[in-house]
Amino acid sequence: KAGVTQTPRYLIKTRGQQVTLSCSPISGHRSVSWYQQTPGQGLQFLFEYFSETQRNKGNFPGRFSGRQFSNSRSEMNVSTLELGDSALYLCASSADGRASTDTQYFGPGTRLTVL
Amino acid sequence: DAKTTQPPSMDCAEGRAANLPCNHSTISGNEYVYWYRQIHSQGPQYIIHGLKNNETNEMASLIITEDRKSSTLILPHATLRDTAVYYCIVRVASGDKIIFGKGTRLHILP
Repeated sequence: KAGVTQTPRYLIKTRGQQVTLSCSPISGHRSVSWYQQTPGQGLQFLFEYFSETQRNKGNFPGRFSGRQFSNSRSEMNVSTLELGDSALYLCASSADGRASTDTQYFGPGTRLTVL
Repeated sequence: DAKTTQPPSMDCAEGRAANLPCNHSTISGNEYVYWYRQIHSQGPQYIIHGLKNNETNEMASLIITEDRKSSTLILPHATLRDTAVYYCIVRVASGDKIIFGKGTRLHILP
């Protein structure tokens, strides 16, 4: 089975711009979660989608948003980029999001640099 | 906040067993212990998870104390490729949020 894929792998933007990142989960997985990783804050949970609905949300401002499509692919959007948004953005997928039967598998990430 | 405490770094000689400890003294009855590792700038890789019984797979073994307040991940024969940051995480049985701590940076010494 193919793993989680994320596009693009690297991205450079300037302050004030917006960006959209894409994630394709493992085939058959319906839950997609997004995380931000920075050297200062480590890995932080952004949000999780299941069956096109946001099911969990972390403590990030409204500039960070996401959506999930009927084929479980997900996108996340960051508007009005700030320098502090420079980070590795990771996507993870799981079958149904219940820890008792499920495991999250991570993609390689998208490295976003904001200048 | 992360509910786990791990040493910031550890060294292990190549070929020896690497034993990575994790404290989760406030773990609830429905929370699982998960271990992931992250090799530099790659996505975290799932290793193993358990609830209260010890678990073993092709990568590692997970030993959970009887009171479930701590656990140990064992890599039986460490190689240089096991150099990574290892994260111990507790997750509830429902919902999919993972709270990562700072992890343990494992150095494998040749």
